[in-house]
Amino acid sequence: DAKTTQPPSMDCAEGRAANLPCNHSTISGNEYVYWYRQIHSQGPQYIIHGLKNNETNEMASLIITEDRKSSTLILPHATLRDTAVYYCIVREYSGYSTLTFGKGTMLLVSP
Amino acid sequence: GAVVSQHPSWVICKSGTSVKIECRSLDFQATTMFWYRQFPKQSLMLMATSNEGSKATYEQGVEKDKFLINHASLTLSTLTVTSAHPEDSSFYICSALSSGVGETQYFGPGTRLLVL
Repeated sequence: DAKTTQPPSMDCAEGRAANLPCNHSTISGNEYVYWYRQIHSQGPQYIIHGLKNNETNEMASLIITEDRKSSTLILPHATLRDTAVYYCIVREYSGYSTLTFGKGTMLLVSP
Repeated sequence: GAVVSQHPSWVICKSGTSVKIECRSLDFQATTMFWYRQFPKQSLMLMATSNEGSKATYEQGVEKDKFLINHASLTLSTLTVTSAHPEDSSFYICSALSSGVGETQYFGPGTRLLVL
């Protein structure tokens, strides 16, 4: 069973910020929130992950609510190349804990 | 950093033959690697977890005798699809676990298998 809920699709104009929401109301204290994306016919690409604090890297920002029941991935200036399926996944911090992929959000960035 | 490669990127084979797919972590060592399968318009499904120097752990419904996994070194895992049939046609993707805070999985580019 998927531990996360994401909208099936979203649209974004090129140059605008893309805000992708994710609900994970049953997340446990030792589970991280991971975001990956998969461009068509390619392997998933790691974007960012976090536990409870907001995180930022060169690709995106991750905002996690204080109760950790939801999060938002922010692509600050979306480009056409950001069109992909975005997966929000919760996972324990353990080498033996695997990633379970749901259906993700199909983000379409348009000119 | 954290680059994972797969070879071949695509392969076409006849029914009944075996196909080997290689997964390499290029700039880090990976004690654990994973193999996934993705059918068209579906999400990734975990097939097995591969640990260096030990037997792979297969997910329910995945035949271990059909999908042979070997993880002989800290940078290489192989998946062999034995006696392939058309229903095995799929997109096979590996990932390697990079140790560190949060222990991130990095994925290869995938191998598209078509069995005729």
